[in-house]
Amino acid sequence: GNSVTQMEGPVTLSEEAFLTINCTYTATGYPSLFWYVQYPGEGLQLLLKATKADDKGSNKGFEATYRKETTSFHLEKGSVQVSDSAVYFCALSFYTGTASKLTFGTGTRLQVTL
Amino acid sequence: NAGVTQTPKFQVLKTGQSMTLQCAQDMNHEYMSWYRQDPGMGLRLIHYSVGAGITDQGEVPNGYNVSRSTTEDFPLRLLSAAPSQTSVYFCASSTAEGRTYGYTFGSGTRLTVV
Repeated sequence: GNSVTQMEGPVTLSEEAFLTINCTYTATGYPSLFWYVQYPGEGLQLLLKATKADDKGSNKGFEATYRKETTSFHLEKGSVQVSDSAVYFCALSFYTGTASKLTFGTGTRLQVTL
Repeated sequence: NAGVTQTPKFQVLKTGQSMTLQCAQDMNHEYMSWYRQDPGMGLRLIHYSVGAGITDQGEVPNGYNVSRSTTEDFPLRLLSAAPSQTSVYFCASSTAEGRTYGYTFGSGTRLTVV
């Protein structure tokens, strides 16, 4: 079956540090890949996505590249801020002809300190 | 604001009680789904629907019922609550090809069963 594996957290960084959160996936075929972010007490928000190999998704300074050869979709940001503190979820989906269904990783908590 | 609305935000139930978690969206999305979020396990799919009158089971359907009589609403019913159902529940919606536009999530319902 399909699955997503994320690096375990929590990840604690100082403000302006470089961020990488690793994500790898297992799937038959070519899924779409997503990063969602969950701020404390809130629901999930779509952060970025990529729908085919070598696509780069980007938003709010975050980037991730769909790497088919390594089945990875690592999240990066060059300089994190305290406001980036949240839980980040990697996810994949397939379109089956009737609908797409999301499969999530377990989430990685990021804490950014001054 | 357009989006996914979940009610209630918080609920405490006694073991054996029943209740319905409400979910409504105003984006005319065909696809709606329910997830539960538990520590260390990410989000797991409970039930989903690809349109009015059509529902199917996800990864963890036991103990939950759903129906979809309209495009807008997708309620989740707990027939006889158990402590194992203590969790945060999220409703999500998308177009059928959710990989193109991503999913929209509600803000969640935190349920405690005592």
